[in-house]
This record gives sequence, structure tokens and C-alpha cells, in this order.
Amino acid sequence: DAGVTQSPTHLIKTRGQQVTLRCSPKSGHDTVSWYQQALGQGPQFIFQYYEEEERQRGNFPDRFSGHQFPNYSSELNVNALLLGDSALYLCASSLLPGQGGTEAFFGQGTRLTVV
Amino acid sequence: AQRVTQPEKLLSVFKGAPVELKCNYSYSGSPELFWYVQYSRQRLQLLLRHISRESIKGFTADLNKGETSFHLKKPFAQEEDSAMYYCALSEGDYKLSFGAGTTVTVRA
Repeated sequence: DAGVTQSPTHLIKTRGQQVTLRCSPKSGHDTVSWYQQALGQGPQFIFQYYEEEERQRGNFPDRFSGHQFPNYSSELNVNALLLGDSALYLCASSLLPGQGGTEAFFGQGTRLTVV
Repeated sequence: AQRVTQPEKLLSVFKGAPVELKCNYSYSGSPELFWYVQYSRQRLQLLLRHISRESIKGFTADLNKGETSFHLKKPFAQEEDSAMYYCALSEGDYKLSFGAGTTVTVRA
């Protein structure tokens, strides 16, 4: 099991552009969460997907959207990029506690730089 | 809203010395607390969770609801403990709120 995999590893975009980041969860996991980690800060929760629907959302604008596919993989889309969106984007997969989940597993992240 | 505070950004200790990383939280319900660790060039990984009450790699953490703290301790630090440590809180569904992190350097 490769664990949680994210692509691409690095990305450079221009202000105003749109970006799509991808995540494949750990085998057997059906819940995917996305986090933004700015330099020198802890990860901040963006949203969580379960059964192809957004289950929870953090304090992020509507420019941040996502999707979960039937195979549980997920995408994070960010529109109208701002310089402040430059960060490491982390994906985490899990099972919900009611399904026997015990922890969230993280990917290596995608480093997004907006210029 | 829940909040996690790690007051120390940097912590430097000598090998063999005790190390304690502080974590305080604010949450009105019954939180689940975690410590995550990130070693150099590796992904974020779970170190321990308060529910399991395990000692992992010699680290322990006790949830003190009265002081709303979940400090991480190890009696004898090793060089391989040098890493970034994050305290995190979950309402039970893996929506995690992280502290800003503490960088630990263990010197020989």
C-alpha cells in the first residue's frame, strides 16, 4: 500500500489562474480531508469529503472547491489564485470513527507557489 | 470554535535530557487530542492519541481537562527525536485543528 498519494508534488501558477490538486487515499479509506499549511504554521482544515459529498468545511472562501470520485480519490480546486494561496496543500484519508477509523493518514503534500 | 496553542516555536535540548512540549486547547465539548510528528523530508504522521494512552518511542502525553492541556513528554531525548511536532484536536471525525508546531532539536 503506497499510502496517501498526492499529485503534483510542486506547482507554480500565476495570480488569477485556477489550479487542481489530486489525492488518492490509503487503500480501504473512504474519507478525504484537505488542509492548507502556510509557511511556519500548522495545517488548516479546508474541507472533508465522504460518499462524494462535502461533509464539513473550514473557514475558506468559495474559491476553494473539491470533488470526490466513486473510487474515493479527490480533487481540490482553487479559482482566481491569490499570492496568499501559496502554501503546502495536504490531503489526509481516514475511515470515520463510526466505521472503525482510528487516525488520519497524510500525504506528502503539494507545494503551490503563486507568482 | 476550537483552538490549539503551542507556545514554543523552537525547543533545543541535549541528548539524554528530558523534553516537554506544551499544548493547550480550548474546546467546550469532549475533544480528542493527538500529537503528530514530521521528521525531515517525511510526511506528517501520528505519534500518539490520548485515547490509546500508549507510550510511543518513549513519548507520553496526559490529557488534563482542568488545565485544558495535553503536554508531550519524554524523559531522555534522543537525536532521532529532532523533528517538528504538532498538537491537534478533533471533535471525533478527523476534522483536525492543529497548533502552529514546535521544532525540536536534540543536540549531541
